Amino acid sequence: EAQVTQNPRYLITVTGKKLTVTCSQNMNHEYMSWYRQDPGLGLRQIYYSMNVEVTDKGDVPEGYKVSRKEKRNFPLILESPSPNQTSLYFCASSLHRTGGGSPLHFGNGTRLTVT
Amino acid sequence: AQKITQTQPGMFVQEKEAVTLDCTYDTSDPSYGLFWYKQPSSGEMIFLIYQGSYDQQNATEGRYSLNFQKARKSANLVISASQLGDSAMYFCAMREGAGNQFYFGTGTSLTVIP
Repeated sequence: EAQVTQNPRYLITVTGKKLTVTCSQNMNHEYMSWYRQDPGLGLRQIYYSMNVEVTDKGDVPEGYKVSRKEKRNFPLILESPSPNQTSLYFCASSLHRTGGGSPLHFGNGTRLTVT
Repeated sequence: AQKITQTQPGMFVQEKEAVTLDCTYDTSDPSYGLFWYKQPSSGEMIFLIYQGSYDQQNATEGRYSLNFQKARKSANLVISASQLGDSAMYFCAMREGAGNQFYFGTGTSLTVIP
């Protein structure tokens, strides 16, 4: 089944404890990205990647890192999480690296709580 | 300036009636794509419908149609014959042809009343 898989679904952690949220897609998509969803703010893009070893900042990159060593994987790293990073996170992928036509396919989300 | 604006935080519709969810966008790129997503209470994001800027006709997918008015830069989602299962959050999104980012609106929460 074609899908984007992100883990874990739920994560509770403490301030400053490094964590990684994994994301993997099996559709051979070129484009992958991370979003955070907060009430009243919609989805905001954190980072995106157009290809292996090519990543760039979205609108809210502060406090996050990503890497794209393989086409299928795009982990999100929080080196030192803070309470303002408590949010619902989505990984998504799209067939084409540029252009308007390919929709995003989303993972099921990771609800992160930082205390 | 906001790339995508959804001005209706919440909407109610009677079951079996049609409802229109508003979306306006801002871009100077002549090539772009517009998308609508549904997010039920379970949280997943479901792709509903796509409209390209050069498409001559409004997109339709089953009970979903997109009222695309290019000059007004609006891309409203029309849901016909609403069902209880349509109760969800709906997001409008855009990707510019030359761009690398997807931009999302703040969403509209739709409640279908029996």
